[in-house]
Amino acid sequence: DAGVIQSPRHEVTEMGQEVTLRCKPISGHDYLFWYRQTMMRGLELLIYFNNNVPIDDSGMPEDRFSAKMPNASFSTLKIQPSEPRDSAVYFCASNQGYEQFFGPGTRLTVL
Amino acid sequence: GQNIDQPTEMTATEGAIVQINCTYQTSGFNGLFWYQQHAGEAPTFLSYNVLDGLEEKGRFSSFLSRSKGYSYLLLKELQMKDSASYLCAVREWGGYQKVTFGTGTKLQVIP
Repeated sequence: DAGVIQSPRHEVTEMGQEVTLRCKPISGHDYLFWYRQTMMRGLELLIYFNNNVPIDDSGMPEDRFSAKMPNASFSTLKIQPSEPRDSAVYFCASNQGYEQFFGPGTRLTVL
Repeated sequence: GQNIDQPTEMTATEGAIVQINCTYQTSGFNGLFWYQQHAGEAPTFLSYNVLDGLEEKGRFSSFLSRSKGYSYLLLKELQMKDSASYLCAVREWGGYQKVTFGTGTKLQVIP
């Protein structure tokens, strides 16, 4: 298995632009998680899905953030409009059971 | 909600033993995890404790005391490649897979 796949790996954009991050979970995993990691705040859970249904989005910072999971093999995290404080590494993870498998992350820089 | 505390940084010598502590406060404990994260990489699963006691896996062991809200990760025969951040994470009851991560302990192994 290729593991959790994320794209792009790096994204540099200007403030105000829309950013879309993509994730393909491991086949057969029924939970999918989006995390954000910064030096100051560590690894924060933004939202997670079970069988493509959003379960808890209480970690989503504000209305500028949205996430979708149209099918079992694909999810997106969108930021519109982006701001410099959104600069971070965004991880997607999936699991079946208790162990979470993380993707390589997307390093987002908003100028 | 949860509160997870672990030391920010530690330094240890190659070949030695190091213990990384984690304390937590939670309204409904349902498991504690340790993840390893090398710089610039994704977290990877190390261990999972749900009952009191010691779980051993090769050079790594993890201990849990639910009554004290305390866990530690023990690394033996330290190697240079063990230099990484170690993240303690706690899951709460609720029927879901939501896991909250601590800010991590950055371990530096020196010759």
